[in-house]
Amino acid sequence: DTGVSQNPRHKITKRGQNVTFRCDPISEHNRLYWYRQTLGQGPEFLTYFQNEAQLEKSRLLSDRFSAERPKGSFSTLEIQRTEQGDSAMYLCASSLGQSNHYNSPLHFGNGTRLTVT
Amino acid sequence: AQSVTQLDSHVSVSEGTPVLLRCNYSSSYSPSLFWYVQHPNKGLQLLLKYTSAATLVKGINGFEAEFKKSETSFHLTKPSAHMSDAAEYFCVVSARPGGGNKLTFGTGTQLKVEL
Repeated sequence: DTGVSQNPRHKITKRGQNVTFRCDPISEHNRLYWYRQTLGQGPEFLTYFQNEAQLEKSRLLSDRFSAERPKGSFSTLEIQRTEQGDSAMYLCASSLGQSNHYNSPLHFGNGTRLTVT
Repeated sequence: AQSVTQLDSHVSVSEGTPVLLRCNYSSSYSPSLFWYVQHPNKGLQLLLKYTSAATLVKGINGFEAEFKKSETSFHLTKPSAHMSDAAEYFCVVSARPGGGNKLTFGTGTQLKVEL
C-alpha cells in the first residue's frame, strides 16, 4: 500500500534552527496539502499545491515558512528560525482533484512531529 | 466561509452501546462534509463523506452519518461500540467550489469505550 509518506516522523530542534520536512504523496494524486495540528486541536490548513503550482497559502503560514513541490511529485516544507510556538504535528495529504470537483477525499500521512526546545 | 462545531470534546460509552458524536456545520455553499478518525500515532483516516447525494451516508467500520440541512447537522452514529473505536473523531467541511479541497476541521471529539 503506497500511501502518503512523511519524513522524518519526529524532529527535535533548538530554537532558531531551520528544519525541513518531506512529503511523498500517492503517486497519481495531483493535489498536495500541508496542515498543522497542535495538541487538542483539529488540523489547520497551511497551503496546497495543484501539480507544482502553490495555489493557496493560509495566513498561518508566516514568512518563515516555505513550501515547494518542484516537479509536481514530492513536497518539502521548510521552517526557518524555528520558534517554540512552531512545535506541532505537520501533516501532509494528497488527493486527485479536477477543476470543479471539490469533494474527492484527502489521504493523510502519519505526520512529522516537531519539537522546538 | 465554512466552519464546523463539534459539540462534545469527550464522549464515553460502554462497549456494545450506541455511539453518537455531534457536529453542526456552517457553509456559504452546499457543503461537502466528512468524518475522519485519528488513532494514536496514526494518520487521519476517512470514515465517510457526504457530497449532496443520499443524506444518510454509510462509512467504514459500521459508522454512518445523516446530513440534515434544516438542522445544519451531520452527526456520526454507530449502533454498537467496539473497543477498537476508541480514537479522536473530526467533523470536516470542504471549501468553497473551485477552492481545491481545503478542509476545515472541527476541534475533535475524543471517544472512549469502556468494558
